[in-house]
Amino acid sequence: KQEVTQIPAALSVPEGENLVLNCSFTDSAIYNLQWFRQDPGKGLTSLLLIQSSQREQTSGRLNASLDKSSGRSTLYIAASQPGDSATYLCAVNIGDMRFGAGTRLTVKP
Amino acid sequence: NAGVTQTPKFRILKIGQSMTLQCAQDMNHNYMYWYRQDPGMGLKLIYYSVGAGITDKGEVPNGYNVSRSTTEDFPLRLELAAPSQTSVYFCASSYGQGVPKNIQYFGAGTRLSVL
Repeated sequence: KQEVTQIPAALSVPEGENLVLNCSFTDSAIYNLQWFRQDPGKGLTSLLLIQSSQREQTSGRLNASLDKSSGRSTLYIAASQPGDSATYLCAVNIGDMRFGAGTRLTVKP
Repeated sequence: NAGVTQTPKFRILKIGQSMTLQCAQDMNHNYMYWYRQDPGMGLKLIYYSVGAGITDKGEVPNGYNVSRSTTEDFPLRLELAAPSQTSVYFCASSYGQGVPKNIQYFGAGTRLSVL
């Protein structure tokens, strides 16, 4: 059974710091992996999608990597800002989506 | 640019009551999904639909029913509400399943409490 784990559950950093969020999954047979952002009381917004054949994707200050063989993905956020404060979820596509519990990020001014 | 619209935003039910959570999308997406998110947990798939008239169970379908009579609408029905169904419910849609068509767009959620 596919299990998706995100560590840490919560992270607090000062503004301007570079940071890495981690996602691990137990079965490497995935079609793709997505990183989402969830703001309090809101739905999920897709940030990056990495196909199973890709190693990384970049969008602005965000860079996501995928190592399928080891069952790991990381989301790198450069020069963090208070507006980046949110919960970040990763999800693997195995035909349907399996989500991690998320990392709650707080960026302090 | 409405996207995926869910109603209501909040609801309190008594045990044994029934209700329907509404979901509508205006992007002409074929695929629609219902998830629930319990506190501190990831989203779990309840039901999904690949087109009008076609639905299938996800990971946690017990206690729920769905129908898909039109491309736009995908209501989720709770027949006999139980405290275990207290959760935040998200509806999502996507154009298809092949990459990149399977990027899912989410509604803002319905927060349901069963007391």
